[in-house]
Amino acid sequence: NAGVMQNPRHLVRRRGQEARLRCSPMKGHSHVYWYRQLPEEGLKFMVYLQKENIIDESGMPKERFSAEFPKEGPSILRIQQVVRGDSAAYFCASSGTLTDTQYFGPGTRLTVL
Amino acid sequence: AQSVTQLDSQVPVFEEAPVELRCNYSSSVSVYLFWYVQYPNQGLQLLLKYLSGSTLVKSINGFEAEFNKSQTSFHLRKPSVHISDTAEYFCAVRPLPGNTGKLIFGQGTTLQVKP
Repeated sequence: NAGVMQNPRHLVRRRGQEARLRCSPMKGHSHVYWYRQLPEEGLKFMVYLQKENIIDESGMPKERFSAEFPKEGPSILRIQQVVRGDSAAYFCASSGTLTDTQYFGPGTRLTVL
Repeated sequence: AQSVTQLDSQVPVFEEAPVELRCNYSSSVSVYLFWYVQYPNQGLQLLLKYLSGSTLVKSINGFEAEFNKSQTSFHLRKPSVHISDTAEYFCAVRPLPGNTGKLIFGQGTTLQVKP
């Protein structure tokens, strides 16, 4: 029973490039959450998605960031024109229902040069 | 709005000593409460949670936490720590009701267990 999968685990981008982070939820889970962990800080909620729908994006930066969770395939967090301040660990979590426990993936550590 | 405060950023303790990691929250609505543990370069693992019922909840590895509604606290305790407990510990709340399951995390507490 595989847990939440994220890839890549480490991603290096130069300023101005695009970063695409992938998250495959646990089998049977249709609720996906993305969080960002900046150095020396706790996790901050970014976005909550169900299949093909964004439910809550109150934590997403207004520009350059987008997320999707298509009917087939993993959830994608996309960061366009990355800047050094985007360097962080990005964690994905999934749950079976809205009220279930969220299970976290190992994270993607993004470094922007 | 909700917020979570973990009062200690680092807690050094000797092996086999007791430990308490403090967590206070602020919320105008009811919340669920969680403790997650993060080992170096890994994701978060659920340690224990309080949803309803008994205010004292326990994990399988000896940790326990008590929900205190009047003090809006959910402190984590262990009577005797091991070297392997060295990790980052995060307290989190999930507000109710609502159509979003987002978790609001504290800043984290680094538990350093020394031999």
